[in-house]
Amino acid sequence: AQSVTQPDIHITVSEGASLELRCNYSYGATPYLFWYVQSPGQGLQLLLKYFSGDTLVQGIKGFEAEFKRSQSSFNLRKPSVHWSDAAEYFCAVGDWFSGGYNKLIFGAGTRLAVHP
Amino acid sequence: DAGVTQSPTHLIKTRGQQVTLRCSPKSGHDTVSWYQQALGQGPQFIFQYYEEEERQRGNFPDRFSGHQFPNYSSELNVNALLLGDSALYLCASSLGAFGGSANEQFFGPGTRLTVL
Repeated sequence: AQSVTQPDIHITVSEGASLELRCNYSYGATPYLFWYVQSPGQGLQLLLKYFSGDTLVQGIKGFEAEFKRSQSSFNLRKPSVHWSDAAEYFCAVGDWFSGGYNKLIFGAGTRLAVHP
Repeated sequence: DAGVTQSPTHLIKTRGQQVTLRCSPKSGHDTVSWYQQALGQGPQFIFQYYEEEERQRGNFPDRFSGHQFPNYSSELNVNALLLGDSALYLCASSLGAFGGSANEQFFGPGTRLTVL
């Protein structure tokens, strides 16, 4: 069955430090992969997505992610974290059903805290 | 251009009651998906509506039902509420007729349902 695993429930980093959030997926075909961010009281905002092509994907707010098929991973990175990046981050895989229309399967999320 | 809107923002109900949540999709979108996000978890797919029909359903009981109107807006109905139905309910809209990036889902801010 398709699934997404985010091994880290909570991560704390200092402002200005680099960040890597881990995501592993289980999917039978070529995956469509997404990273979303959720701030308190807010909905989900798409940071970046991978459909095909270059395995290093650039997103908004200075985030990037790398698709590694051999490791079934899609880790999110940022070279220098800002206090405003504190939020919950969700990795998701697009599950295609008949007709080619997708639903999203989410991981449990990683809560990021940023120390000044 | 208004994004996805949901109403109400918050709702408190008691066990056994029924609730209706509403969603208006992003302008130009024709597909609405509903997700349930329990506290501390990632969103879980409930169902998706396209052309006023339920196109796909997740692992949720029949107490969860929905509707899509000709203007593409949607309702989520939950009958016989249980304590475990307390969650953030997210609506996402997309273009349903095509594959690939056209299926990107845009999320609303959610409705926080509390069942007492």
